[in-house]
Amino acid sequence: DTEVTQTPKHLVMGMTNKKSLKCEQHMGHRAMYWYKQKAKKPPELMFVYSYEKLSINESVPSRFSPECPNSSLLNLHLHALQPEDSALYLCASSQALRETQYFGPGTRLLVL
Amino acid sequence: EDQVTQSPEALRLQEGESSSLNCSYTVSGLRGLFWYRQDPGKGPEFLFTLYSAGEEKEKERLKATLTKKESFLHITAPKPEDSATYLCAVRSSTITQGGSEKLVFGKGMKLTVNP
Repeated sequence: DTEVTQTPKHLVMGMTNKKSLKCEQHMGHRAMYWYKQKAKKPPELMFVYSYEKLSINESVPSRFSPECPNSSLLNLHLHALQPEDSALYLCASSQALRETQYFGPGTRLLVL
Repeated sequence: EDQVTQSPEALRLQEGESSSLNCSYTVSGLRGLFWYRQDPGKGPEFLFTLYSAGEEKEKERLKATLTKKESFLHITAPKPEDSATYLCAVRSSTITQGGSEKLVFGKGMKLTVNP
């Protein structure tokens, strides 16, 4: 089973809202990732957690705040987003940092 | 300079018309080359991982090969359901941040297979 789940599938929010994206995997993977993907572009890495500790932070604006409550869950808290933040947000996980990454279905975010 | 280049950017095939997609890379210290398939509005679906030159892997109508400079994704007798964007990504010991190796993606190749 190589399933990564993400909720919600779609999200529309205003620029003053606070929302959270959730990601879950039950494969025993110890590394989890957040990517942002704009239309017709490849995924761009945002954050990497390894053993529940932040490993890579790609200088993402502070309006994006990641959280890894345990080895199976990864959240992305959103606050005061801009319209240009509208994109497909992808979660991925891997057995370890150097292993194959498996992606979830994504959350389509629209910021109005 | 792009470290991972995919060509062509888009490809249209007739059903049953075999072809190959190319992914060339300029990174050193390759730690893995990955192929993914992505349907519109969905997350990338893992296809193959290749680690060393000469390695080949197959899955149904797809076969991935690797040399020291590039990888090919061969599609044999494609069907309309093979239509998708195919992403190539590499991991290298020289592309790191925070002590961790990063995955570098190509821009993708949109494949359309007409019935």
